[in-house]
Amino acid sequence: DQQVKQNSPSLSVQEGRISILNCDYTNSMFDYFLWYKKYPAEGPTFLISISSIKDKNEDGRFTVFLNKSAKHLSLHIVPSQPGDSAVYFCAASDNNYGQNFVFGPGTRLSVLP
Amino acid sequence: NAGVMQNPRHLVRRRGQEARLRCSPMKGHSHVYWYRQLPEEGLKFMVYLQKENIIDESGMPKERFSAEFPKEGPSILRIQQVVRGDSAAYFCASSPRASGRQETQYFGPGTRLLVL
Repeated sequence: DQQVKQNSPSLSVQEGRISILNCDYTNSMFDYFLWYKKYPAEGPTFLISISSIKDKNEDGRFTVFLNKSAKHLSLHIVPSQPGDSAVYFCAASDNNYGQNFVFGPGTRLSVLP
Repeated sequence: NAGVMQNPRHLVRRRGQEARLRCSPMKGHSHVYWYRQLPEEGLKFMVYLQKENIIDESGMPKERFSAEFPKEGPSILRIQQVVRGDSAAYFCASSPRASGRQETQYFGPGTRLLVL
């Protein structure tokens, strides 16, 4: 049973436009969420996080939105750049039970020049 | 300011051999996590260690897999008698000494294990 879902395996966006990556979760105990970016043959790189006490967190071109009632979060990248092309993983944790993260399967973003 | 280091980056083993994967956390980090990524899948948590202690091994297969994080030296993920299904990318992550909740984990480049 997948506790963290990313239902779009891939997404293509034109350079300069907005990229929206979605993530859904089933475990209502999750209270901390992160997005990681991964290039081929490299480890995941931390991008941005959000605590369940917030509904939005912004860092430069990246904004994460959290809708707790819908158990849904999204990552917005604007404007998208070709260097943003990577696999994006959504991750969640329930800190009552330690610090291991549950990862989604990833969404491959392609930003077209 | 080195990040998380893992070696080897690539490891080829024949069925039945042992695989040893090493992870050196970021400087000042005393929490280490191991994850496995199968092709076309997300990362799956395996084990969480602090120096000399296994805190959570709920994601570790019950047999053939073991992990340690000694007082001195890197963390080691050991797979005995490897099988083809063990072929995957193994990622190590570290986080600072836990002063509270919600510590971000920083990942190494991974070790790609191929079992022939």
